[in-house]
Amino acid sequence: NAGVTQTPKFRVLKTGQSMTLLCAQDMNHEYMYWYRQDPGMGLRLIHYSVGEGTTAKGEVPDGYNVSRLKKQNFLLGLESAAPSQTSVYFCASSPRMRSSYNSPLHFGNGTRLTVT
Amino acid sequence: AQRVTQPEKLLSVFKGAPVELKCNYSYSGSPELFWYVQYSRQRLQLLLRHISRESIKGFTADLNKGETSFHLKKPFAQEEDSAMYYCALSGPGNYGGSQGNLIFGKGTKLSVKP
Repeated sequence: NAGVTQTPKFRVLKTGQSMTLLCAQDMNHEYMYWYRQDPGMGLRLIHYSVGEGTTAKGEVPDGYNVSRLKKQNFLLGLESAAPSQTSVYFCASSPRMRSSYNSPLHFGNGTRLTVT
Repeated sequence: AQRVTQPEKLLSVFKGAPVELKCNYSYSGSPELFWYVQYSRQRLQLLLRHISRESIKGFTADLNKGETSFHLKKPFAQEEDSAMYYCALSGPGNYGGSQGNLIFGKGTKLSVKP
């Protein structure tokens, strides 16, 4: 059981370049999330999705776009990368929106992105 | 506004010593509190949830609504406990007024020395 899989694991971009981070889950979860992790800042929610075809903004959505065309996939796009987007990106999924007793978040291994 | 505060960025203890990782929260309703842990080169994973009152790997955490705290404790730290620990809060209406989501603290790095 793979759980939540993120690709790529590492990436280096130049300022202005674009890229897409892929998140795939095989647990049939309804809800998916993209977080960024920065030193001293913890995890901050970028965007999330409550189901196929739906997306919503989180705490720090600027500079990112997302799509959920298929239930199992949640894509995070950077149209024009900036050095401020250098971070570790984590995808997560849960069967329900609230991370309650029966539905904790399941995280991927992360994608380390460096923008020069 | 909902907020999770972990006052210590780094906590260093010796093996066998007690450890307490502090977490305070700000939330107007009845929150659900969690501790997530990230070991070196591993993904974030759930450690504890307050609703279950469980002990995992010797860790316990009690929700104190009066003090709005959810401190993580272990009486005897082990070297394998060294990791990044995040306290998280779940409540409705964190974003958009109708959806719930987890709010994470900034994390505390626990280092257990031999």
